Amino acid sequence: QSALTQPASVSGSPGQSITISCTGTSSDVGGYNYVSWYQQHPGKAPKLMICDVSNRPSGVSNRFSGSKSGNTASLTISGLQAEDEADYYCSYTSSSTVVFGGGTKLTVL
Amino acid sequence: QVQLQESGPGLVRPSQTLSLTCTVSGGSISSGNFYWSWIRQPAGKGLEWIGRIYPSGRTNYNPSLKSRVTISVDMSKNQFSLKLSSVTAADTAVYYCARVTWLGNGASTAFDIWGQGTMVTVSS
Repeated sequence: QSALTQPASVSGSPGQSITISCTGTSSDVGGYNYVSWYQQHPGKAPKLMICDVSNRPSGVSNRFSGSKSGNTASLTISGLQAEDEADYYCSYTSSSTVVFGGGTKLTVL
Repeated sequence: QVQLQESGPGLVRPSQTLSLTCTVSGGSISSGNFYWSWIRQPAGKGLEWIGRIYPSGRTNYNPSLKSRVTISVDMSKNQFSLKLSSVTAADTAVYYCARVTWLGNGASTAFDIWGQGTMVTVSS
């Protein structure tokens, strides 16, 4: 199974909203809502931010939201804050495997 | 709360076997709708899923690593382990263990708890 496609980088100013895309195929992202998003700060372990395309685990800020259209899932961060600067990874899970996107570096200007 | 901690050698010789252990504290490795997984990340690169193990002992592996990977679980020690054989410099990475939570819908799961990661260098 091929890796999911994410933009290498996105940027935004404090207070703005940004969206990170995650593109797969009709066999994975497009077929099921098994997409999660992870935030990773430098030198730290990833943190689960969104699961099942759009569900936010307890404790995750409601500035983070997820959606999907066709074969592309998206993570939107509203009201950007300096602490949001990090790498973001999407992932798709199936009954037999897991695949990650290549990661997107978010820069808060 | 549940915590995971990786342990093992930080340096492995080429062609040897990399062995890591993940100790689960604050909860039983055999409880609930949880699986246990290994993920790695080369310096400056993205995440790569290695494989997972169910409490029953059933495993799934990344097809690209399947021939070299073994993941096992030791219920008595509340640990699960990774063995990666015939390592090369390309296996140099930070290795994470993670808890996989089944979200109650088909194959939907997520890595909800991670260890801090351990750096493994393959070098002679």
